[in-house]
Amino acid sequence: KAGVTQTPRYLIKTRGQQVTLSCSPISGHRSVSWYQQTPGQGLQFLFEYFSETQRNKGNFPGRFSGRQFSNSRSEMNVSTLELGDSALYLCASSKGTGDSYEQYFGPGTRLTVT
Amino acid sequence: TQLLEQSPQFLSIQEGENLTVYCNSSSVFSSLQWYRQEPGEGPVLLVTVVTGGEVKKLKRLTFQFGDARKDSSLHITAAQPGDTGLYLCAGVIASGTYKYIFGTGTRLKVLA
Repeated sequence: KAGVTQTPRYLIKTRGQQVTLSCSPISGHRSVSWYQQTPGQGLQFLFEYFSETQRNKGNFPGRFSGRQFSNSRSEMNVSTLELGDSALYLCASSKGTGDSYEQYFGPGTRLTVT
Repeated sequence: TQLLEQSPQFLSIQEGENLTVYCNSSSVFSSLQWYRQEPGEGPVLLVTVVTGGEVKKLKRLTFQFGDARKDSSLHITAAQPGDTGLYLCAGVIASGTYKYIFGTGTRLKVLA
């Protein structure tokens, strides 16, 4: 069974630009969560999508947004990039219902903002 | 605010030594997961513990969930350089939806 895939793996952007990251969950998983990981702050929860609806949201500004498609693939968008947005962005998929709460992470997208 | 504190933050040991990583919270979790992450990669799920007092073994790794489901520990016996990485615990709170609280992480380096 294929794992979680994220594209692109690496990205360099300039301050003020916007960026879109993509995540394809494990087949059959309907929940996709996004996290930001930095050395100083650790793993910070951005938001979770389940069946195309945002189900949970972390404490990030509105510049961070996401969506989920009918095939469960998800995208995350960051507008007006700031230097502090440089981080490893991880997505995690899970079945999202019943006792199936285990999350499986993708390899991440390393975003560098210059 | 729900927190999950891990200790120690950093650990550098010689190959063959034993070590224990702790994960503590004041919150009660439905389950708790342990991950290992290598540089530039995503965390890889090692184990999930669900029942208070549960002990799970994965080769040289032993995971324990506290009786009250507020804390957990990871013990590695005879550490090897391949165990090097960032270890993360994640508590799951199930209340309609699932909320994941991640620990601060323990960075382990095993020297050959």
